[in-house]
Amino acid sequence: EVQLVESGGGLVQPGGSLRLSCAASGFTFSDSWMSWVRQAPGKGLEWVANIKQDGSDKYYVDSVKGRFTISRDNAKNSLYLQMNSPRAEDTALYYCASGNMDVWGQGTTVTVSS
Amino acid sequence: DVVMTQSPLSLPVTLGQPASISCRSSQSLVYSDGNTYLHWFQQRPGQSPRRLIYKVSNRDSGVPDRFSGSGSGTDFTLKISRVEAEDVGVYYCLQGTHWPPYTFGQGTKVEIK
Repeated sequence: EVQLVESGGGLVQPGGSLRLSCAASGFTFSDSWMSWVRQAPGKGLEWVANIKQDGSDKYYVDSVKGRFTISRDNAKNSLYLQMNSPRAEDTALYYCASGNMDVWGQGTTVTVSS
Repeated sequence: DVVMTQSPLSLPVTLGQPASISCRSSQSLVYSDGNTYLHWFQQRPGQSPRRLIYKVSNRDSGVPDRFSGSGSGTDFTLKISRVEAEDVGVYYCLQGTHWPPYTFGQGTKVEIK
């Protein structure tokens, strides 16, 4: 079964840090671009970042550039999102998705608050 | 950035009746390879998004044939031929031609009258 399982969400203070993880199974992870997509409470979907199969290329939405870092470990079939200096507006449900967005995880919730 | 504009934002539909959602992009979504990277997603209440249609008109595996996508250039449409109760949710279009960033439409909420 093709599956993505996110973890690592929680409450984080503004200016703190948090690392999200996404475990992939059921498909060849190392062959896939991967993305993070978020959804603020009651709002629509926003693409956050993506990463090439070998990790050599990474792209970000402007609002997180310089603060968030996407990475992957193909040996562990895992995708990560390092969130540094989060802001209140980063509060959202964070999904990982395959490069074609044909597979999504269940999401992990991040709340940025003091 | 490419702006995706959906209409309507709310769509009350009678069971068994058709429904249509429009998605317009601020620039043409035809890529240099000739493909148009416009996709449609369904998000049922409390669930993760699910891709329904890719590259304008291709249904994903397991998607009922009552769902269809059409369009070209900057104007696209998702149609449901006969709405069923399980179709309730929010529908999003996504452009993957001019990225980064990928951009979604605002979402259209489909509900039963």
